[in-house]
Amino acid sequence: NAGVTQTPKFRILKIGQSMTLQCTQDMNHNYMYWYRQDPGMGLKLIYYSVGAGITDKGEVPNGYNVSRSTTEDFPLRLELAAPSQTSVYFCASSPRRRELGYEQYFGPGTRLTVT
Amino acid sequence: GENVEQHPSTLSVQEGDSAVIKCTYSDSASNYFPWYKQELGKRPQLIIDIRSNVGEKKDQRIAVTLNKTAKHFSLHITETQPEDSAVYFCAATTNTGNQFYFGTGTSLTVIP
Repeated sequence: NAGVTQTPKFRILKIGQSMTLQCTQDMNHNYMYWYRQDPGMGLKLIYYSVGAGITDKGEVPNGYNVSRSTTEDFPLRLELAAPSQTSVYFCASSPRRRELGYEQYFGPGTRLTVT
Repeated sequence: GENVEQHPSTLSVQEGDSAVIKCTYSDSASNYFPWYKQELGKRPQLIIDIRSNVGEKKDQRIAVTLNKTAKHFSLHITETQPEDSAVYFCAATTNTGNQFYFGTGTSLTVIP
């Protein structure tokens, strides 16, 4: 299993540009999450999904959108990038089932800079 | 929603000493408490977790204790080594909720 994969690893955007951060997992997990981590800070939840076709806002959703058309993929869309969105973005997945456990598996992260 | 507080925010110990990081939570329904280690520039990785039906769990040099009455849980690292230097995050969740609630992290430095 590749686990959770994210692309790209690094990206520099100009203010006002848009982009999509890709996240894919091959563990057949229903739950997927997007977090952002600012330098020296903790993880803040942007959006999450409990299964294909279902998404919900987390703590800091403004400026972002998500979709979940398949179990495997959970892309994060940034529209009109702003310097405040400079951060490291982590995607994670979890089975969240008693027989499989509740552990979150994190992707390697995408380091985004908006200038 | 759940509120997880973590202390201290930074911790320095001499190699070979023990380190303790504490977290409190607010939602009495929380019943799964993982601890993550994040090395510089890397992703968070689970190092140990505990369910609410046990009070303590050990894995070699690391252990986690849980006090459900007081709503706090702690990470204990014994015989610390320089490679234990990292940021450690606690988290809490319920088996009926959808989110994980993270603490703000503890930066541990082990001095050789």
